Amino acid sequence: EPEVTQTPSHQVTQMGQEVILRCVPISNHLYFYWYRQILGQKVEFLVSFYNNEISEKSEIFDDQFSVERPDGSNFTLKIRSTKLEDSAMYFCASSDGGGQHFGDGTRLSIL
Amino acid sequence: GENVEQHPSTLSVQEGDSAVIKCTYSDSASNYFPWYKQELGKRPQLIIDIRSNVGEKKDQRIAVTLNKTAKHFSLHITETQPEDSAVYFCAASIESGGSYIPTFGRGTSLIVHP
Repeated sequence: EPEVTQTPSHQVTQMGQEVILRCVPISNHLYFYWYRQILGQKVEFLVSFYNNEISEKSEIFDDQFSVERPDGSNFTLKIRSTKLEDSAMYFCASSDGGGQHFGDGTRLSIL
Repeated sequence: GENVEQHPSTLSVQEGDSAVIKCTYSDSASNYFPWYKQELGKRPQLIIDIRSNVGEKKDQRIAVTLNKTAKHFSLHITETQPEDSAVYFCAASIESGGSYIPTFGRGTSLIVHP
């Protein structure tokens, strides 16, 4: 069964540094999403992406965040200047218009 | 915006018993309700979903019911097994043009004792 893949599985970064989280959605999917989950809490929507542009974003997705689909397969989330409170699990998801399929996530730890 | 409440936060059952998780939502425009299962340290996995044009949907031991008038929906797991132990999240969303943005509940930690 095709899967969403995310790299790296764990990223440790100093506060103030930039990070890029990478995702390869399922190949025939058209809708892409990023979520975050702070340890022990619920999953929170960050941003959705369709037809090479952001379709919706939450209030969490402020100016320090950006997304990109640099080629036909990758979907990236960039955090420009990380803060301690950015520490969380970040999930990428994709769909073909039906249910969303999640990747295994990237655990981001900000020191 | 949408607000989803989920209860209980923890549910402990004996193997073979049934488990019921309940959610309420606030936005009457919500029309798509997926349920996700998340095992410890793993990805959320879609296990069942229901759209607002039906009241119930069943898939083997899992069923979901929806009451649009009362704005609540429930997950029912029958004949629970230890491998059902996980955190279950409900979500409510407005599906539009093939995309939807789920608002998740806080999750229910289901523990099935052998």
